[in-house]
Amino acid sequence: GNSVTQMEGPVTLSEEAFLTINCTYTATGYPSLFWYVQYPGEGLQLLLKATKADDKGSNKGFEATYRKETTSFHLEKGSVQVSDSAVYFCALIHNTDKLIFGTGTRLQVFP
Amino acid sequence: DAGVIQSPRHEVTEMGQEVTLRCKPISGHNSLFWYRQTMMRGLELLIYFNNNVPIDDSGMPEDRFSAKMPNASFSTLKIQPSEPRDSAVYFCASSFTGPGANVLTFGAGSRLTVL
Repeated sequence: GNSVTQMEGPVTLSEEAFLTINCTYTATGYPSLFWYVQYPGEGLQLLLKATKADDKGSNKGFEATYRKETTSFHLEKGSVQVSDSAVYFCALIHNTDKLIFGTGTRLQVFP
Repeated sequence: DAGVIQSPRHEVTEMGQEVTLRCKPISGHNSLFWYRQTMMRGLELLIYFNNNVPIDDSGMPEDRFSAKMPNASFSTLKIQPSEPRDSAVYFCASSFTGPGANVLTFGAGSRLTVL
């Protein structure tokens, strides 16, 4: 069945460091891929998405490219800020209305 | 739009009591989802509705849990009787399902503590 695998956290970085959070997926065909972010005490919010192979989603300095050949959708940011500290969820949807989430990766950014 | 509205934001109750969580989805959205989030189990989909009809309730833990969507603007998740292991944050989310859509908007969550 469809599934999403994320790197385990926490990821701990200093401000202005480069961020990568790995995400790979298992699905037949071409799912749509998403990154959601959850700030402390809040619900999840859509960060970015990509709906077909080689698409790049971007928002707030974050980017992720839909790589069909490696079934990956890694999240990157060139320079993180303390305010980026949150839990990041990779997700996919394919052939159903049901969004399948990864387990989440906690990012902690220190000044 | 005010977004997805959940109530209560916090609920503390004693074991055995009935708990009802409420959700108002975004107007025009035709799918509604209930999720549960705990440290141990992460984010779990409990049930989802499309056009007010339950489509997949395979994530509902047991018969103590029930969910209803009497109309397009309101849904409830009920736990009766509640148990301490039900303590979690319960999220409601809605979306408009269709080509190019399927982006979920989440509510702020209802934090349930069962003593």
